[in-house]
Amino acid sequence: TQLLEQSPQFLSIQEGENLTVYCNSSSVFSSLQWYRQEPGEGPVLLVTVVTGGEVKKLKRLTFQFGDARKDSSLHITAAQPGDTGLYLCAGPLLGYSTLTFGKGTMLLVSP
Amino acid sequence: GAVVSQHPSRVICKSGTSVKIECRSLDFQATTMFWYRQFPKQSLMLMATSNEGSKATYEQGVEKDKFLINHASLTLSTLTVTSAHPEDSSFYICSARGTGGSETQYFGPGTRLLVL
Repeated sequence: TQLLEQSPQFLSIQEGENLTVYCNSSSVFSSLQWYRQEPGEGPVLLVTVVTGGEVKKLKRLTFQFGDARKDSSLHITAAQPGDTGLYLCAGPLLGYSTLTFGKGTMLLVSP
Repeated sequence: GAVVSQHPSRVICKSGTSVKIECRSLDFQATTMFWYRQFPKQSLMLMATSNEGSKATYEQGVEKDKFLINHASLTLSTLTVTSAHPEDSSFYICSARGTGGSETQYFGPGTRLLVL
């Protein structure tokens, strides 16, 4: 059973388009982190959301944590080729310290 | 801040040999370090949790005698793949969590292991 369901698994879009990646669970998380990973490299932390309903913005990226802390979304406005990569959501289940990872969303932004 | 390094970045070895991978937190002290394995086009799979000065906790299905983990200091953890076989070929990534109680993990750049 996959505790964190990410969708879509793969997304190919043109430069300038908007997109949203979803991370859903039936379990409550203490927090959720979003990472971007490029081929052959380790994941790079983008943001951590902690409070239910929290919204964080990082330039063209908007992250939201669900009110019940069971889901999160990442919205990218006007995607650019440099946004290409594997986006991973991860978080510790409530009461646990280890990270549970989603399967990732591979984003390809073409010029 | 929060930089984690791994060495080597890439290693090729013959079947049956052992390989050691180092994970260092460069600008913070890490009470806990984690070792992950990632196969192509897949997400990260946690192998073990390493706490400084104590034995590592291994995830189900991970052989502790094959994947030896040592966390001798607050800035260094090592993973040794013993008697490596081709099926051990993978991308190994470590992460470190600071001592301040934050749940955020910072990841190293990964080590690509190819066993011939």
